Amino acid sequence: EDKVVQSPLSLVVHEGDTVTLNCSYEVTNFRSLLWYKQEKKAPTFLFMLTSSGIEKKSGRLSSILDKKELFSILNITATQTGDSAVYLCAVGTKTSYDKVIFGPGTSLSVIP
Amino acid sequence: KAGVTQTPRYLIKTRGQQVTLSCSPISGHRSVSWYQQTPGQGLQFLFEYFSETQRNKGNFPGRFSGRQFSNSRSEMNVSTLELGDSALYLCASRIVPGQEIYEQYFGPGTRLTVT
Repeated sequence: EDKVVQSPLSLVVHEGDTVTLNCSYEVTNFRSLLWYKQEKKAPTFLFMLTSSGIEKKSGRLSSILDKKELFSILNITATQTGDSAVYLCAVGTKTSYDKVIFGPGTSLSVIP
Repeated sequence: KAGVTQTPRYLIKTRGQQVTLSCSPISGHRSVSWYQQTPGQGLQFLFEYFSETQRNKGNFPGRFSGRQFSNSRSEMNVSTLELGDSALYLCASRIVPGQEIYEQYFGPGTRLTVT
């Protein structure tokens, strides 16, 4: 059965800290890995990764994928209170059809 | 460009009733997926529709059904509601399934409470 695992499930840090969120997966017919940010409303898309070793960056956020070891990390540097959210990792697969499997999410709280 | 819209935003129903939720995708997006999100189970895939056809279905009982109209708008229906159906129901749209881009855009969700 396809599954996506995230760790930690929750995390509390102080402003300015750097955090690393982990996502590992076991799926058949991997196509892509996606990261979303959810702040008490609809998840918003952050990154899509399809190739190993190529870092994607957006401001203070960055992510990288390791397709050999089947994991991805999401880094957030110089955290701000506005980074407080649930970060969802999802994996896109394709057999006869494509689907997306979500992990449980990591709840990040950034305190001043 | 307007985002994904869902109606209603909040709903309270009693056990045994049925409910219909609506989703309008981003203009030009032809694929609509539905997800259920609960604190215990996280975000779980319900089904996806494209060109008025269900392409994919998650592991949910037959009480959960959906459809898509020719204008890509989609509805999902839950019959014989149970307390465990209380959840945030999210709709997501993307341009066309099967492309490399799995970038989905989510709507604000419908918060369903079953009492």
